[in-house]
Amino acid sequence: GAGVSQSPRYKVAKRGQDVALRCDPISGHVSLFWYQQALGQGPEFLTYFQNEAQLDKSGLPSDRFFAERPEGSVSTLKIQRTQQEDSAVYLCASSFDSNYNSPLHFGNGTRLTVT
Amino acid sequence: LAKTTQPISMDSYEGQEVNITCSHNNIATNDYITWYQQFPSQGPRFIIQGYKTKVTNEVASLFIPADRKSSTLSLPRVSLSDTAVYYCLVLPMDAGNMLTFGGGTRLMVKP
Repeated sequence: GAGVSQSPRYKVAKRGQDVALRCDPISGHVSLFWYQQALGQGPEFLTYFQNEAQLDKSGLPSDRFFAERPEGSVSTLKIQRTQQEDSAVYLCASSFDSNYNSPLHFGNGTRLTVT
Repeated sequence: LAKTTQPISMDSYEGQEVNITCSHNNIATNDYITWYQQFPSQGPRFIIQGYKTKVTNEVASLFIPADRKSSTLSLPRVSLSDTAVYYCLVLPMDAGNMLTFGGGTRLMVKP
């Protein structure tokens, strides 16, 4: 597709359920990022992939959060045993490479609501 | 990372030029400045970036004074559709392209 695609667009989970959020980056983009955005705040970095390698996962808030990109294309962010504080918009972004002048292209996010 | 400070919110009217200034007093020599725009219910979108002086593209202009301690994003003749949050980011050129967002400036364009 022309841009970064994320699914589902909305997800409602009961506390304690596991969720999986999908990101389809722009074809050929090497770098892939996940961000978490709380209402009224700027996005916060979660994790970064270069191809299939997860080079930085320092932003993942707990060991309940897990991300993968097994073939260097599609990525999945999994949250186990969801909690109410996990409610947020989860944004995926991709870029052609990791150079500073390679802008990030964001998807429209998945809005997760944990009840 | 250099700390950035920008207005929390701004109001403008259709047809006006809007200037959003970002302060980054402790910018380093190898830091560059980039701006992103985020419409409601969408992900951020790259607008413009620069290192010094002036950069212009089809969307905006970016003015950076010689001391680089601030930068100004200029949006000519805004329309209602320019209502969005605008983020100023300062990042080192040798540390990849991972972005660290602050709170941004919420621009409201009124008719």
